[in-house]
Amino acid sequence: RKEVEQDPGPFNVPEGATVAFNCTYSNSASQSFFWYRQDCRKEPKLLMSVYSSGNEDGRFTAQLNRASQYISLLIRDSKLSDSATYLCVVTGTGRRALTFGSGTRLQVQP
Amino acid sequence: ETGVTQTPRHLVMGMTNKKSLKCEQHLGHNAMYWYKQSAKKPLELMFVYNFKEQTENNSVPSRFSPECPNSSHLFLHLHTLQPEDSALYLCASSQVWDVNNEQFFGPGTRLTVL
Repeated sequence: RKEVEQDPGPFNVPEGATVAFNCTYSNSASQSFFWYRQDCRKEPKLLMSVYSSGNEDGRFTAQLNRASQYISLLIRDSKLSDSATYLCVVTGTGRRALTFGSGTRLQVQP
Repeated sequence: ETGVTQTPRHLVMGMTNKKSLKCEQHLGHNAMYWYKQSAKKPLELMFVYNFKEQTENNSVPSRFSPECPNSSHLFLHLHTLQPEDSALYLCASSQVWDVNNEQFFGPGTRLTVL
Protein backbone atom coordinates (compact mmCIF):
# COMPACT_ATOMS: atom_id res chain seq x y z
CA ARG A 1 0.00 0.00 0.00
CA LYS A 2 1.30 3.44 -0.91
CA GLU A 3 2.05 5.77 1.99
CA VAL A 4 -0.14 8.47 0.46
CA GLU A 5 -2.80 7.67 -2.12
CA GLN A 6 -4.66 10.07 -4.32
CA ASP A 7 -7.02 9.68 -7.24
CA PRO A 8 -4.87 10.93 -10.16
CA GLY A 9 -7.88 12.33 -12.02
CA PRO A 10 -8.13 14.34 -14.13
CA PHE A 11 -11.16 16.02 -12.66
CA ASN A 12 -12.74 18.10 -15.41
CA VAL A 13 -15.19 20.61 -13.98
CA PRO A 14 -16.89 23.76 -15.30
CA GLU A 15 -16.15 27.16 -13.88
CA GLY A 16 -18.13 27.81 -10.74
CA ALA A 17 -18.38 24.15 -9.78
CA THR A 18 -17.52 22.72 -6.41
CA VAL A 19 -14.98 19.91 -6.45
CA ALA A 20 -13.55 17.73 -3.71
CA PHE A 21 -10.41 15.63 -3.56
CA ASN A 22 -9.64 12.93 -1.04
CA CYS A 23 -6.34 11.52 0.04
CA THR A 24 -5.63 8.52 2.27
CA TYR A 25 -2.45 7.91 4.22
CA SER A 26 -1.08 4.75 5.75
CA ASN A 27 1.05 6.03 8.63
CA SER A 28 -1.21 6.40 11.64
CA ALA A 29 1.59 8.27 13.42
CA SER A 30 1.51 11.13 10.90
CA GLN A 31 1.03 14.43 12.66
CA SER A 32 1.17 17.11 9.99
CA PHE A 33 -0.82 17.38 6.81
CA PHE A 34 -0.71 19.76 3.88
CA TRP A 35 -2.04 20.44 0.44
CA TYR A 36 0.45 21.69 -2.14
CA ARG A 37 -0.40 22.92 -5.59
CA GLN A 38 1.75 22.27 -8.65
CA ASP A 39 1.04 24.00 -11.93
CA CYS A 40 2.05 22.28 -15.15
CA ARG A 41 5.85 22.17 -15.43
CA LYS A 42 6.25 24.36 -12.36
CA GLU A 43 7.38 23.78 -8.81
CA PRO A 44 5.03 22.78 -5.97
CA LYS A 45 3.78 25.55 -3.71
CA LEU A 46 2.09 25.27 -0.34
CA LEU A 47 -1.64 25.80 -0.66
CA MET A 48 -2.65 25.22 2.94
CA SER A 49 -1.95 23.24 6.06
CA VAL A 50 -4.65 20.90 7.33
CA TYR A 51 -5.64 21.18 10.97
CA SER A 52 -7.50 18.65 13.08
CA SER A 53 -10.56 20.85 13.38
CA GLY A 54 -10.64 21.59 9.67
CA ASN A 55 -9.74 24.94 8.20
CA GLU A 56 -10.81 27.27 5.48
CA ASP A 57 -8.96 29.75 3.32
CA GLY A 58 -11.28 31.63 1.03
CA ARG A 59 -12.77 29.15 -1.43
CA PHE A 60 -10.65 26.29 -0.11
CA THR A 61 -11.59 24.05 2.80
CA ALA A 62 -9.43 21.28 4.18
CA GLN A 63 -10.61 18.51 6.48
CA LEU A 64 -8.79 15.79 8.40
CA ASN A 65 -10.27 12.48 9.53
CA ARG A 66 -7.69 10.75 11.71
CA ALA A 67 -9.86 7.72 12.43
CA SER A 68 -10.17 6.90 8.75
CA GLN A 69 -6.77 8.33 7.88
CA TYR A 70 -7.84 10.62 5.11
CA ILE A 71 -7.75 14.29 4.34
CA SER A 72 -9.84 16.20 1.88
CA LEU A 73 -9.72 19.44 -0.05
CA LEU A 74 -12.88 21.21 -1.17
CA ILE A 75 -12.75 23.97 -3.76
CA ARG A 76 -15.86 26.10 -4.17
CA ASP A 77 -16.67 28.34 -7.13
CA SER A 78 -13.85 26.92 -9.25
CA LYS A 79 -11.83 29.36 -11.34
CA LEU A 80 -9.87 28.65 -14.50
CA SER A 81 -6.76 29.55 -12.51
CA ASP A 82 -7.43 26.65 -10.14
CA SER A 83 -6.36 24.24 -12.88
CA ALA A 84 -3.33 22.46 -11.47
CA THR A 85 -2.25 19.27 -9.76
CA TYR A 86 -3.02 19.12 -6.06
CA LEU A 87 -0.54 17.21 -3.94
CA CYS A 88 -1.49 15.66 -0.63
CA VAL A 89 1.45 15.74 1.80
CA VAL A 90 1.81 14.11 5.20
CA THR A 91 4.65 13.58 7.60
CA GLY A 92 6.37 10.30 6.87
CA THR A 93 8.10 7.71 8.97
CA GLY A 94 10.35 10.27 10.60
CA ARG A 95 8.64 13.28 12.08
CA ARG A 96 10.61 15.65 9.90
CA ALA A 97 10.14 13.85 6.61
CA LEU A 98 7.36 14.79 4.23
CA THR A 99 5.70 12.17 2.06
CA PHE A 100 4.00 13.38 -1.09
CA GLY A 101 1.13 11.81 -2.94
CA SER A 102 1.26 11.57 -6.72
CA GLY A 103 -1.29 14.34 -7.03
CA THR A 104 -4.78 14.87 -8.39
CA ARG A 105 -5.06 16.85 -11.57
CA LEU A 106 -7.84 19.42 -11.82
CA GLN A 107 -8.89 21.02 -15.08
CA VAL A 108 -11.44 23.80 -14.80
CA GLN A 109 -13.16 24.49 -18.10
CA PRO A 110 -14.88 27.65 -19.29
CA GLU B 1 8.90 35.24 -7.81
CA THR B 2 10.52 32.25 -6.14
CA GLY B 3 13.33 32.86 -3.67
CA VAL B 4 14.92 29.56 -4.71
CA THR B 5 16.81 29.37 -7.97
CA GLN B 6 18.18 26.34 -9.76
CA THR B 7 20.60 25.94 -12.62
CA PRO B 8 20.61 24.59 -15.18
CA ARG B 9 16.90 24.37 -15.93
CA HIS B 10 17.45 21.59 -18.45
CA LEU B 11 20.30 19.10 -18.72
CA VAL B 12 20.95 16.27 -21.12
CA MET B 13 23.85 14.00 -20.28
CA GLY B 14 25.31 10.67 -21.24
CA MET B 15 25.79 7.87 -18.76
CA THR B 16 29.52 8.49 -18.55
CA ASN B 17 29.31 12.25 -17.98
CA LYS B 18 29.82 14.13 -14.76
CA LYS B 19 27.64 17.14 -14.13
CA SER B 20 26.42 19.21 -11.21
CA LEU B 21 23.11 20.80 -10.36
CA LYS B 22 23.12 24.03 -8.40
CA CYS B 23 20.55 25.48 -6.05
CA GLU B 24 20.62 28.84 -4.31
CA GLN B 25 18.10 30.25 -1.86
CA HIS B 26 17.73 33.93 -1.03
CA LEU B 27 15.33 33.49 1.88
CA GLY B 28 17.75 33.25 4.78
CA HIS B 29 16.71 29.66 5.43
CA ASN B 30 18.79 27.06 7.20
CA ALA B 31 17.46 23.84 5.72
CA MET B 32 17.75 22.74 2.12
CA TYR B 33 16.46 19.66 0.34
CA TRP B 34 16.84 17.72 -2.87
CA TYR B 35 13.78 15.94 -4.26
CA LYS B 36 13.33 13.78 -7.34
CA GLN B 37 10.06 13.88 -9.30
CA SER B 38 9.62 11.22 -11.97
CA ALA B 39 6.73 11.12 -14.39
CA LYS B 40 3.51 9.99 -12.74
CA LYS B 41 5.30 9.30 -9.45
CA PRO B 42 5.28 11.30 -6.24
CA LEU B 43 8.10 13.55 -5.15
CA GLU B 44 10.81 11.55 -3.44
CA LEU B 45 12.99 13.15 -0.80
CA MET B 46 16.66 12.50 -1.53
CA PHE B 47 18.74 14.58 0.88
CA VAL B 48 18.26 17.08 3.68
CA TYR B 49 20.79 19.58 4.97
CA ASN B 50 20.11 21.46 8.18
CA PHE B 51 22.58 24.20 9.08
CA LYS B 52 24.95 22.78 6.43
CA GLU B 53 24.93 19.32 7.98
CA GLN B 54 23.49 16.41 6.08
CA THR B 55 20.70 15.04 8.24
CA GLU B 56 18.89 12.76 5.82
CA ASN B 57 19.98 10.46 3.03
CA ASN B 58 16.98 8.59 1.78
CA SER B 59 18.86 5.54 0.49
CA VAL B 60 20.03 7.43 -2.55
CA PRO B 61 22.56 5.66 -4.83
CA SER B 62 26.12 6.92 -4.54
CA ARG B 63 26.08 8.18 -8.13
CA PHE B 64 24.27 11.17 -6.60
CA SER B 65 26.53 13.19 -4.33
CA PRO B 66 25.24 16.28 -2.53
CA GLU B 67 27.32 19.18 -1.29
CA CYS B 68 26.27 22.08 0.92
CA PRO B 69 29.08 24.63 1.28
CA ASN B 70 26.86 27.10 3.15
CA SER B 71 23.23 27.57 4.12
CA SER B 72 22.41 29.35 0.87
CA HIS B 73 23.87 26.91 -1.64
CA LEU B 74 23.26 23.28 -2.40
CA PHE B 75 24.76 21.16 -5.14
CA LEU B 76 23.97 17.74 -6.50
CA HIS B 77 26.91 16.13 -8.26
CA LEU B 78 26.01 13.49 -10.81
CA HIS B 79 28.20 10.77 -12.29
CA THR B 80 27.62 7.54 -14.21
CA LEU B 81 23.87 8.00 -14.14
CA GLN B 82 21.34 5.59 -15.60
CA PRO B 83 18.47 6.39 -17.99
CA GLU B 84 16.00 5.74 -15.15
CA ASP B 85 17.53 8.71 -13.34
CA SER B 86 15.89 11.00 -15.87
CA ALA B 87 13.49 13.16 -13.87
CA LEU B 88 12.79 16.63 -12.54
CA TYR B 89 15.14 17.43 -9.66
CA LEU B 90 13.71 19.95 -7.27
CA CYS B 91 15.52 21.88 -4.61
CA ALA B 92 13.63 23.31 -1.64
CA SER B 93 14.40 25.28 1.47
CA SER B 94 12.73 26.03 4.78
CA GLN B 95 13.55 28.06 7.86
CA VAL B 96 14.79 24.95 9.66
CA TRP B 97 14.28 21.24 9.16
CA ASP B 98 10.81 20.80 10.60
CA VAL B 99 7.66 19.67 8.85
CA ASN B 100 5.75 22.63 10.24
CA ASN B 101 8.01 24.99 8.32
CA GLU B 102 6.76 25.70 4.82
CA GLN B 103 9.10 24.42 2.15
CA PHE B 104 9.77 26.69 -0.79
CA PHE B 105 10.68 24.97 -4.02
CA GLY B 106 12.88 26.05 -6.87
CA PRO B 107 11.76 25.62 -10.50
CA GLY B 108 13.70 22.39 -10.88
CA THR B 109 16.23 20.96 -13.28
CA ARG B 110 14.80 18.63 -15.89
CA LEU B 111 17.41 15.95 -16.39
CA THR B 112 17.56 13.54 -19.29
CA VAL B 113 20.11 10.73 -19.20
CA LEU B 114 20.82 9.14 -22.57
